[in-house]
Amino acid sequence: QSALTQPPSASGSPGQSVTISCTGTSSDVGAYNFVSWYQQHPGKAPKLMIYEVTKRPSGVPDRFSGSKSGNTASLTVSGLQAEDEADYYCSSYAGSNIVVFGGGTKLTVL
Amino acid sequence: QVQLVESGGGVVQPGRSLRLSCAASGFTFSSYGMHWVRHTPGKGLEWVAVISYDGSTKDYADSVKGRFAISRENSKNTLYLQVNSLRAEDTALYYCAKEGGWQWLPKYYFDYWGRGTLVTVSS
Repeated sequence: QSALTQPPSASGSPGQSVTISCTGTSSDVGAYNFVSWYQQHPGKAPKLMIYEVTKRPSGVPDRFSGSKSGNTASLTVSGLQAEDEADYYCSSYAGSNIVVFGGGTKLTVL
Repeated sequence: QVQLVESGGGVVQPGRSLRLSCAASGFTFSSYGMHWVRHTPGKGLEWVAVISYDGSTKDYADSVKGRFAISRENSKNTLYLQVNSLRAEDTALYYCAKEGGWQWLPKYYFDYWGRGTLVTVSS
């Protein structure tokens, strides 16, 4: 049950796009299309942004999109806005009813 | 609307126990699996445990296996986490989270979260 690997930080200017990677293995990210992404503002509960790699819950702006290639999943935020500044976590199913998270990425809007 | 409200956290000495609770409302609790996820400032989010919609299947992260026990009482719309043999590294904000999939079709994502209950393990 090893954690997924995310960059500790990412940044972009308002209006720009930024992509956050989430690297796992052939036993988790690469094996299942059960990758999800969560946004967490300080002192708040996490919020689901993307599920099943590419699906967006109702109410999440279409500026947020997800993808996967091999053992690496990605979250892209287009048209960055100040309110997008937060911590972002990926998670993946890892088999045998187990879920693993990434270490989190702090997104800064410059 | 969906609401999840955790309780039961506190300051506890190493080796002691606590029982965390999560009161659910706004959805058919008995139709969904439920998870516990914890958050620490240093390590971020860590998945802890899952229980199926009917309580028949339970699984745990290696870090808590043998010490923590997840359970549910569908008649009371309540989820529990019994945390035993607590260690300093168990200090965290514990969230309950609703499974996004339905009944026997889990999708392993968390579509609703509570606000968490803080467990501090300290002598």
